[in-house]
Amino acid sequence: DSGVTQTPKHLITATGQRVTLRCSPRSGDLSVYWYQQSLDQGLQFLIQYYNGEERAKGNILERFSAQQFPDLHSELNLSSLELGDSALYFCASSVANRGDYGYTFGSGTRLTVV
Amino acid sequence: GQQVMQIPQYQHVQEGEDFTTYCNSSTTLSNIQWYKQRPGGHPVFLIQLVKSGEVKKQKRLTFQFGEAKKNSSLHITATQTTDVGTYFCAVSERGFKTIFGAGTRLFVKA
Repeated sequence: DSGVTQTPKHLITATGQRVTLRCSPRSGDLSVYWYQQSLDQGLQFLIQYYNGEERAKGNILERFSAQQFPDLHSELNLSSLELGDSALYFCASSVANRGDYGYTFGSGTRLTVV
Repeated sequence: GQQVMQIPQYQHVQEGEDFTTYCNSSTTLSNIQWYKQRPGGHPVFLIQLVKSGEVKKQKRLTFQFGEAKKNSSLHITATQTTDVGTYFCAVSERGFKTIFGAGTRLFVKA
């Protein structure tokens, strides 16, 4: 157990639908990062939050949005889902605003869009 | 934006053989991190390199940061089946927006 909790572990939904992925960072970590990993692909950076504020954005689609709440948990909202959105979505956390000390990843949410 | 090239994409080795993966950047890096992802698992942080020419060892793993801080390597001596997985390097833009290399997938035949 890495200390980063992601729910749900698996999600199957239809095209056009909207889903919410949840992440609780490791205790004491203020930064949350979201990554997308398609089948046998690398990790694509989506977005970073630090202590409730957005700090960096990657190639995140306009159909996707995220936020970090006062209790530091984060949610990634994916809407108007397409088949190509099927992927593993990882959340990671770090203690600092910067990832200089390495990220701790959760076990991921596997999203399947049918 | 920051980009990093990682080679090879795949590597098949016989158990006991050595393995090396390389990470190259066109720009000077402030630091580089290495992660391992087991099949079906999540990435796990291995190490961070910061200084020019830095060499760090973790048991059979040796990590090196180039003198110009534009490249790095991860070398595994005498691979074991437990080394199977994908090894990623990761670099960040001013500490934010950490970008991962495409990864090197290691297969070890017993």
